[in-house]
Amino acid sequence: EIVLTQSPGTLSLSPGERATLSCRASQSISTTYLAWYQQKPGQAPRLLIYGASNRATGIPDRFSGSGSGPDFTLTISRLEPEDFAVYYCQQCGSSPRFTFGPGTKVDIK
Amino acid sequence: EVQLVESGGGLVKPGRSLRLSCTASGFTFDDYAMSWFRQAPGKGLEWLGFIRSKGYGGTTEYAASVKDRFTISRDDSKSIAYLQMNSLKTEDTAVYYCARDIYTYLDNWGQGTLVTVSS
Repeated sequence: EIVLTQSPGTLSLSPGERATLSCRASQSISTTYLAWYQQKPGQAPRLLIYGASNRATGIPDRFSGSGSGPDFTLTISRLEPEDFAVYYCQQCGSSPRFTFGPGTKVDIK
Repeated sequence: EVQLVESGGGLVKPGRSLRLSCTASGFTFDDYAMSWFRQAPGKGLEWLGFIRSKGYGGTTEYAASVKDRFTISRDDSKSIAYLQMNSLKTEDTAVYYCARDIYTYLDNWGQGTLVTVSS
């Protein structure tokens, strides 16, 4: 089973700042199988990025994904107030089908 | 607009059963696989299982942690996916989500339904 590790656990930033979130897989995975989600308290996860770098429908262009092999990055170029949330990376494998990282919380400094 | 609405959650005693429903609208339900997930209080996301579309056999796969207790089914005539949960344990307490499964990612999620297993 591929394990995803996310860092940092918490990122304290101010609106307007750049956020860089890391996701590392325990073994190399194809970019096709890496996605990112945003989750706010009391809400369902929301797809941000799929295929490591493709923005989902309706996602602002301040969100971007990059990386390959075991190391992937989600970047939020300029934090808006609504961006403070928990972010999860997800990989698709054989068994289990989907696994998630433990999440990075982006909170207001 | 794609919408997924879970229902059927609630308080249930250990050892009992519960069936959750995920009612879909805004897309051709028959064409899509559907996955179920859960999130225990303050914890991360856990995939439970999925069901393929009938066009791909309508077969199911499950996480090892729930394989012998949970069953996923679908009724394409009603655009509903189900999660049957048997022999519930206190550790099954969580918010349960369904999601539209695009095979490598989940593009739409329901709002979730809370299941509390307690005596």
